Amino acid sequence: DAMVIQNPRYQVTQFGKPVTLSCSQTLNHNVMYWYQQKSSQAPKLLFHYYDKDFNNEADTPDNFQSRRPNTSFCFLDIRSPGLGDAAMYLCATSRWDTEAFFGQGTRLTVV
Amino acid sequence: AQSVTQPDIHITVSEGASLELRCNYSYGATPYLFWYVQSPGQGLQLLLKYFSGDTLVQGIKGFEAEFKRSQSSFNLRKPSVHWSDAAEYFCAVGSTVGGADGLTFGKGTHLIIQP
Repeated sequence: DAMVIQNPRYQVTQFGKPVTLSCSQTLNHNVMYWYQQKSSQAPKLLFHYYDKDFNNEADTPDNFQSRRPNTSFCFLDIRSPGLGDAAMYLCATSRWDTEAFFGQGTRLTVV
Repeated sequence: AQSVTQPDIHITVSEGASLELRCNYSYGATPYLFWYVQSPGQGLQLLLKYFSGDTLVQGIKGFEAEFKRSQSSFNLRKPSVHWSDAAEYFCAVGSTVGGADGLTFGKGTHLIIQP
């Protein structure tokens, strides 16, 4: 009964080659988030959608973009991945009155 | 700006012993506090949360946490740990009930269980 599903679980991409990570949810939550978690570090919020309103964290690099075509899906696009973008990317969802539910994450490797 | 400090990077506990993981937060208004657990290569699972009311909150897997406003702390406890509790534990603070503006996480505490 997975509620927040991230695909793929593991993604290998070439340096500079655009890559897209996907997240879907069955919870009908109106808020969706993308976090970046580098090895042995805390998850760091990149951006989130409150319904269709996009909120970008001030220090999120321009190389990262997101799309939310509907309530259920959200995508993370990395336009030109660098070696420093290798990380676990976590998608999460919530309503205004609930805690955040996280997906299993996508481990991105840049070669 | 809000922040979370987890002063212990690693903690080693014998199986069956009690556990306390420390968390201190900095936030100007009423904090919404969470503890998440992460197994290797996995996402985050919520253990418990504090929104308001009783300052001692019960969570899953036998965990509890106590909110102490005077100490700006939200320490996680378990009376008897099991080998399956070995994982990374993150304390987090949000500005809304659901953390709708996103969560600020501490750097995590890696829990090692000795047989």
